[in-house]
Amino acid sequence: EDQVTQSPEALRLQEGESSSLNCSYTVSGLRGLFWYRQDPGKGPEFLFTLYSAGEEKEKERLKATLTKKESFLHITAPKPEDSATYLCAVSWGGATNKLIFGTGTLLAVQP
Amino acid sequence: DAGITQSPRHKVTETGTPVTLRCHQTENHRYMYWYRQDPGHGLRLIHYSYGVKDTDKGEVSDGYSVSRSKTEDFLLTLESATSSQTSVYFCAIRGGQGRDEQFFGPGTRLTVL
Repeated sequence: EDQVTQSPEALRLQEGESSSLNCSYTVSGLRGLFWYRQDPGKGPEFLFTLYSAGEEKEKERLKATLTKKESFLHITAPKPEDSATYLCAVSWGGATNKLIFGTGTLLAVQP
Repeated sequence: DAGITQSPRHKVTETGTPVTLRCHQTENHRYMYWYRQDPGHGLRLIHYSYGVKDTDKGEVSDGYSVSRSKTEDFLLTLESATSSQTSVYFCAIRGGQGRDEQFFGPGTRLTVL
Protein backbone atom coordinates (compact mmCIF):
# COMPACT_ATOMS: atom_id res chain seq x y z
CA GLU A 1 0.00 0.00 0.00
CA ASP A 2 1.28 3.46 -0.89
CA GLN A 3 2.06 5.34 2.28
CA VAL A 4 3.81 8.43 3.64
CA THR A 5 4.94 8.54 7.28
CA GLN A 6 6.29 11.61 9.03
CA SER A 7 8.19 11.75 12.30
CA PRO A 8 8.18 13.02 14.88
CA GLU A 9 4.51 13.99 15.21
CA ALA A 10 5.51 17.03 17.26
CA LEU A 11 8.82 18.74 17.98
CA ARG A 12 9.63 21.53 20.38
CA LEU A 13 12.90 23.43 19.88
CA GLN A 14 14.60 26.36 21.48
CA GLU A 15 15.39 29.26 19.18
CA GLY A 16 18.70 28.48 17.45
CA GLU A 17 18.52 24.73 18.14
CA SER A 18 18.87 22.93 14.79
CA SER A 19 17.02 19.68 14.03
CA SER A 20 15.56 17.52 11.26
CA LEU A 21 12.12 16.25 10.33
CA ASN A 22 11.72 12.91 8.61
CA CYS A 23 9.41 11.75 5.81
CA SER A 24 9.55 8.10 4.77
CA TYR A 25 7.53 6.75 1.86
CA THR A 26 6.52 3.53 0.15
CA VAL A 27 5.18 4.45 -3.26
CA SER A 28 5.62 2.60 -6.51
CA GLY A 29 6.47 4.86 -9.40
CA LEU A 30 7.40 7.95 -7.39
CA ARG A 31 7.10 11.06 -9.49
CA GLY A 32 8.20 13.66 -6.95
CA LEU A 33 8.31 14.54 -3.25
CA PHE A 34 6.99 17.82 -1.90
CA TRP A 35 7.35 19.74 1.35
CA TYR A 36 4.72 22.20 2.54
CA ARG A 37 4.34 24.49 5.53
CA GLN A 38 0.89 24.99 7.07
CA ASP A 39 -0.01 27.67 9.59
CA PRO A 40 -3.15 27.30 11.73
CA GLY A 41 -6.33 28.11 9.82
CA LYS A 42 -4.55 28.42 6.47
CA GLY A 43 -3.89 26.31 3.41
CA PRO A 44 -0.58 24.52 2.89
CA GLU A 45 2.19 26.72 1.50
CA PHE A 46 4.57 25.12 -1.01
CA LEU A 47 8.23 24.90 0.02
CA PHE A 48 10.20 22.40 -2.10
CA THR A 49 10.00 19.75 -4.82
CA LEU A 50 12.55 16.91 -4.97
CA TYR A 51 12.72 14.38 -7.79
CA SER A 52 15.75 12.14 -7.39
CA ALA A 53 17.93 10.60 -4.68
CA GLY A 54 20.74 12.93 -3.73
CA GLU A 55 18.86 16.07 -4.64
CA GLU A 56 18.89 18.98 -2.18
CA LYS A 57 16.95 22.26 -2.08
CA GLU A 58 17.45 25.21 0.29
CA LYS A 59 15.43 28.20 1.33
CA GLU A 60 16.54 30.44 4.18
CA ARG A 61 16.90 28.20 7.28
CA LEU A 62 15.36 25.15 5.58
CA LYS A 63 17.09 22.45 3.54
CA ALA A 64 15.32 19.43 2.07
CA THR A 65 17.14 16.26 1.02
CA LEU A 66 15.97 13.06 -0.65
CA THR A 67 17.09 9.41 -0.59
CA LYS A 68 15.44 6.39 -2.20
CA LYS A 69 13.23 5.76 0.82
CA GLU A 70 12.98 9.03 2.75
CA SER A 71 13.37 12.77 2.83
CA PHE A 72 14.63 15.07 5.54
CA LEU A 73 13.76 18.68 6.22
CA HIS A 74 16.67 20.22 8.08
CA ILE A 75 16.00 23.37 10.07
CA THR A 76 19.11 25.37 10.95
CA ALA A 77 19.02 27.89 13.80
CA PRO A 78 15.22 28.10 13.81
CA LYS A 79 13.31 31.20 14.86
CA PRO A 80 9.85 31.39 16.49
CA GLU A 81 8.36 32.34 13.11
CA ASP A 82 9.34 28.89 11.81
CA SER A 83 6.69 27.39 14.09
CA ALA A 84 4.12 25.60 11.91
CA THR A 85 3.05 22.17 10.75
CA TYR A 86 5.33 20.78 8.05
CA LEU A 87 3.72 18.41 5.56
CA CYS A 88 5.36 15.95 3.22
CA ALA A 89 3.64 14.57 0.11
CA VAL A 90 4.56 12.26 -2.74
CA SER A 91 3.05 12.28 -6.20
CA TRP A 92 2.04 9.35 -8.30
CA GLY A 93 -0.46 8.60 -11.06
CA GLY A 94 1.52 9.82 -14.01
CA ALA A 95 0.39 13.07 -15.60
CA THR A 96 -2.53 13.51 -13.18
CA ASN A 97 0.00 14.04 -10.36
CA LYS A 98 -2.13 12.86 -7.47
CA LEU A 99 -0.60 13.50 -4.04
CA ILE A 100 -0.44 11.31 -0.94
CA PHE A 101 0.21 13.32 2.22
CA GLY A 102 1.74 12.41 5.53
CA THR A 103 0.04 13.60 8.71
CA GLY A 104 2.66 16.25 9.35
CA THR A 105 5.10 17.36 12.04
CA LEU A 106 3.98 20.14 14.36
CA LEU A 107 7.04 22.30 15.07
CA ALA A 108 7.12 24.77 17.95
CA VAL A 109 10.16 27.05 18.31
CA GLN A 110 10.40 28.81 21.64
CA PRO A 111 12.26 32.12 22.07
CA ASP B 1 0.40 33.76 -4.01
CA ALA B 2 -1.49 31.58 -6.45
CA GLY B 3 -4.82 33.16 -7.33
CA ILE B 4 -7.12 30.68 -5.64
CA THR B 5 -10.24 31.57 -3.69
CA GLN B 6 -12.72 29.32 -1.97
CA SER B 7 -16.28 30.08 -0.94
CA PRO B 8 -17.79 29.97 1.51
CA ARG B 9 -14.95 30.06 4.03
CA HIS B 10 -17.15 28.71 6.81
CA LYS B 11 -20.44 26.83 6.69
CA VAL B 12 -22.66 25.09 9.21
CA THR B 13 -25.38 22.86 7.82
CA GLU B 14 -27.72 20.10 8.89
CA THR B 15 -27.51 16.41 8.09
CA GLY B 16 -29.26 15.55 4.85
CA THR B 17 -28.98 18.96 3.20
CA PRO B 18 -27.07 19.53 -0.05
CA VAL B 19 -23.92 21.64 0.08
CA THR B 20 -21.80 23.08 -2.72
CA LEU B 21 -18.31 24.45 -2.22
CA ARG B 22 -16.70 26.61 -4.87
CA CYS B 23 -13.07 26.93 -5.92
CA HIS B 24 -12.08 29.75 -8.25
CA GLN B 25 -8.67 30.25 -9.86
CA THR B 26 -7.30 33.15 -11.85
CA GLU B 27 -4.25 31.24 -13.17
CA ASN B 28 -5.94 29.43 -16.09
CA HIS B 29 -4.32 26.15 -15.01
CA ARG B 30 -5.57 22.82 -16.29
CA TYR B 31 -5.45 20.62 -13.17
CA MET B 32 -7.57 21.28 -10.07
CA TYR B 33 -8.01 19.13 -6.96
CA TRP B 34 -10.28 18.87 -3.93
CA TYR B 35 -8.90 17.57 -0.61
CA ARG B 36 -10.27 17.16 2.88
CA GLN B 37 -8.13 17.50 5.99
CA ASP B 38 -8.97 15.70 9.22
CA PRO B 39 -6.93 15.18 12.40
CA GLY B 40 -4.90 11.99 12.20
CA HIS B 41 -5.50 11.55 8.47
CA GLY B 42 -3.70 14.41 6.84
CA LEU B 43 -4.91 15.69 3.49
CA ARG B 44 -6.82 13.19 1.36
CA LEU B 45 -7.80 13.58 -2.28
CA ILE B 46 -11.55 13.61 -2.99
CA HIS B 47 -11.78 14.37 -6.71
CA TYR B 48 -9.67 16.05 -9.32
CA SER B 49 -10.09 17.62 -12.74
CA TYR B 50 -7.75 17.60 -15.71
CA GLY B 51 -9.78 19.95 -17.87
CA VAL B 52 -13.24 21.37 -18.49
CA LYS B 53 -15.78 18.57 -17.98
CA ASP B 54 -12.92 16.10 -17.29
CA THR B 55 -12.97 14.80 -13.72
CA ASP B 56 -12.03 11.66 -11.85
CA LYS B 57 -12.28 10.14 -8.39
CA GLY B 58 -9.66 10.32 -5.68
CA GLU B 59 -9.08 8.34 -2.52
CA VAL B 60 -12.23 9.35 -0.59
CA SER B 61 -14.86 10.18 -3.24
CA ASP B 62 -17.92 8.43 -1.77
CA GLY B 63 -20.67 10.97 -1.01
CA TYR B 64 -19.11 13.70 -3.15
CA SER B 65 -19.54 14.86 -6.73
CA VAL B 66 -17.74 17.54 -8.71
CA SER B 67 -18.28 19.65 -11.77
CA ARG B 68 -16.10 21.86 -13.91
CA SER B 69 -17.90 23.82 -16.60
CA LYS B 70 -15.26 26.55 -16.88
CA THR B 71 -11.47 26.43 -16.52
CA GLU B 72 -11.55 28.77 -13.55
CA ASP B 73 -14.23 27.09 -11.43
CA PHE B 74 -14.28 23.66 -9.75
CA LEU B 75 -17.33 22.84 -7.64
CA LEU B 76 -17.57 20.18 -4.93
CA THR B 77 -21.07 19.00 -4.00
CA LEU B 78 -22.20 16.98 -1.02
CA GLU B 79 -25.57 15.70 -2.24
CA SER B 80 -26.80 14.85 1.26
CA ALA B 81 -24.38 15.96 3.95
CA THR B 82 -23.50 13.63 6.82
CA SER B 83 -21.67 14.31 10.10
CA SER B 84 -18.69 12.31 8.82
CA GLN B 85 -18.21 15.01 6.17
CA THR B 86 -17.46 17.61 8.81
CA SER B 87 -13.96 18.66 7.80
CA VAL B 88 -11.78 21.37 6.33
CA TYR B 89 -11.86 21.31 2.54
CA PHE B 90 -9.00 22.58 0.43
CA CYS B 91 -8.86 23.24 -3.27
CA ALA B 92 -5.54 23.11 -5.10
CA ILE B 93 -4.25 23.86 -8.57
CA ARG B 94 -1.24 22.36 -10.23
CA GLY B 95 1.42 24.79 -11.28
CA GLY B 96 1.51 25.61 -14.96
CA GLN B 97 4.31 25.18 -17.50
CA GLY B 98 5.01 21.58 -16.55
CA ARG B 99 5.39 22.22 -12.84
CA ASP B 100 4.36 19.36 -10.56
CA GLU B 101 3.76 21.17 -7.29
CA GLN B 102 0.23 22.04 -6.22
CA PHE B 103 -0.84 25.36 -4.73
CA PHE B 104 -3.61 25.47 -2.19
CA GLY B 105 -6.51 27.77 -1.46
CA PRO B 106 -7.38 29.09 2.01
CA GLY B 107 -9.85 26.30 2.81
CA THR B 108 -13.51 25.96 3.77
CA ARG B 109 -14.45 24.79 7.25
CA LEU B 110 -17.66 22.75 7.00
CA THR B 111 -19.63 21.58 10.02
CA VAL B 112 -22.51 19.14 9.54
CA LEU B 113 -24.80 18.95 12.57
